[in-house]
Amino acid sequence: AQSVAQPEDQVNVAEGNPLTVKCTYSVSGNPYLFWYVQYPNRGLQFLLKYITGDNLVKGSYGFEAEFNKSQTSFHLKKPSALVSDSALYFCAVRDMNDYKLSFGAGTTVTVRA
Amino acid sequence: SQTIHQWPATLVQPVGSPLSLECTVEGTSNPNLYWYRQAAGRGLQLLFYSVGIGQISSEVPQNLSASRPQDRQFILSSKKLLLSDSGFYLCACSGQGNQPQHFGDGTRLSIL
Repeated sequence: AQSVAQPEDQVNVAEGNPLTVKCTYSVSGNPYLFWYVQYPNRGLQFLLKYITGDNLVKGSYGFEAEFNKSQTSFHLKKPSALVSDSALYFCAVRDMNDYKLSFGAGTTVTVRA
Repeated sequence: SQTIHQWPATLVQPVGSPLSLECTVEGTSNPNLYWYRQAAGRGLQLLFYSVGIGQISSEVPQNLSASRPQDRQFILSSKKLLLSDSGFYLCACSGQGNQPQHFGDGTRLSIL
């Protein structure tokens, strides 16, 4: 079985401040981890993935995420948030041998000007 | 890169009416295809997935069915819609191996 927890329903930050969205996962085998962003009435957009290798993964729009195997975490980060980063963020995991993704419940990010 | 087309973007249907939502994919061949439902702008529920033509796996027993008549076409159907079928339906595709899923822009279905 596999699952994802996003412990914060909402994250509020001021523009220019660092942004962190937390994610922890559970999977029986080796994990493939993903972050997606969703704007209102749109589909999910892929931001970045961790498959193997360097624990710090860089993705689109200045986002990065750090894989921590001992803490089973994959937190999303951005050094300097923009108002346009306000959206719904999803963390997802799958076992490397599975087709199916398990998604977290999502975290709403609000960046105030 | 692949592009996922979903239509219609919005749909209002009466209870008991049939449903057909279509998803087509461009820019890839032999993709894995997925149908999700998203309620109230939050979590995604996987409804069906397909690894090849005519191969459909159902994740949740319900009022819906799916078909894959062509390699890059995935259809979500119902014979009789229920109020609980309302939601935002998303189609996704992925390549083989460690490729991420990519999503269409969804269909917002309202049942009256």
